[in-house]
Amino acid sequence: AQRVTQPEKLLSVFKGAPVELKCNYSYSGSPELFWYVQYSRQRLQLLLRHISRESIKGFTADLNKGETSFHLKKPFAQEEDSAMYYCALRAGTYKYIFGTGTRLKVLA
Amino acid sequence: NAGVTQTPKFRILKIGQSMTLQCTQDMNHNYMYWYRQDPGMGLKLIYYSVGAGITDKGEVPNGYNVSRSTTEDFPLRLELAAPSQTSVYFCASSSGGGARNEQFFGPGTRLTVL
Repeated sequence: AQRVTQPEKLLSVFKGAPVELKCNYSYSGSPELFWYVQYSRQRLQLLLRHISRESIKGFTADLNKGETSFHLKKPFAQEEDSAMYYCALRAGTYKYIFGTGTRLKVLA
Repeated sequence: NAGVTQTPKFRILKIGQSMTLQCTQDMNHNYMYWYRQDPGMGLKLIYYSVGAGITDKGEVPNGYNVSRSTTEDFPLRLELAAPSQTSVYFCASSSGGGARNEQFFGPGTRLTVL
């Protein structure tokens, strides 16, 4: 079965604390994974993709095929990081499977 | 550039009514997509198009129709609205279908069917 699981609906952390948003996937092929973010009153936008191995706004995500995970991490959370975060799996040329999302709240 | 625009922002329909959700992009993207997001769920692909005149079904196409007469526009039609179609609808576009081609999303249309 093709599936993306984000186990936490809500994650609250204090400013300056480390953040880890969890994402696990189920896919028989070679996975391509993404993190999308939706800030308040803004549209969904791409944050990062695993094939680029990039760090965006201080966030990184490493694909762990053994654990079938693609967790999003940031060492020091900022208030402006508060948003909804969606993990997505590309399971075909046009087919993307999205997780249910995690709301991150960074407390002052 | 406006990017991907959707109209309307909100709509309430009665059961059995029909409506068209409009989607337009000004980035000259060939690929366009319609997703729905039910409360507490992830996005699910309804239909997609790889160019003008070419459309195909996604994961949840029942109850919907699409057309793509121009590169810019990709309207989604609901013929007989049902309560199960209450959802937030997102349109997206990309320059290609591969993983390196970022999907750009519209702001969404919140539809309630009563």
